[in-house]
Amino acid sequence: SYDLIQPLSVSVALGQTAIITCEEYNIESKNVHWYQQRPGQTPVLVIYRDNRRPSGIPERFSGSNSGNTATLTITGAQVGDEADYYCQVWDDTLVFGGGTKLTVL
Amino acid sequence: QVQLHQSGPGLVKPSETLSLTCTVSGGSINNYYWSWIRQPAGKRLEWIGRIYSGGRTNYNPSLKSRVAMSVDTSENQVSLTLSSVTAADTAVYWCARDPGLWYFELWGQGILVTVSS
Repeated sequence: SYDLIQPLSVSVALGQTAIITCEEYNIESKNVHWYQQRPGQTPVLVIYRDNRRPSGIPERFSGSNSGNTATLTITGAQVGDEADYYCQVWDDTLVFGGGTKLTVL
Repeated sequence: QVQLHQSGPGLVKPSETLSLTCTVSGGSINNYYWSWIRQPAGKRLEWIGRIYSGGRTNYNPSLKSRVAMSVDTSENQVSLTLSSVTAADTAVYWCARDPGLWYFELWGQGILVTVSS
């Protein structure tokens, strides 16, 4: 079964671009979804089906999926984007990545 | 606006059964899948399983022997039972709505369940 590998932490300067990766062999064959979880709060869907953005999610959030890596990109990161980010796929069972803590400096 | 609200005991004794209910308000439970997801403190999210409004279920293989889910469309509720709990089942539990494509577009507020004597 899938084991989605994410970096433990990513840091980005205010207003710059943050890139969070999610790795697994041939992940491009799966639909990847991304969630934002601010401290002590409920997860929020920010990207679904690789690159689709739910209503209400800012355009600075985007996603891609190719080869063995899916990527969540936050363009022009803001302090309010500080959170844990989880990727998720379905592969015989539903799997979440280990999560990446985003710090905006 | 559709809202999900989890309810149930916040404290369960070891070896007993955890029971939670998710009540859907502001919309119908029909034609959606409803998942339960949990997160122990400081750990990753874990999918427990899901149930369709028609009653069909899918469970996480790692929990399948202890999990049961049910749906009550007349009450707009889905329920979770997890048997033979241990301290490892201590977590925040959420219910969430899945449009049928294996992702979660809407979440409840979550409920902390502690397993302790």
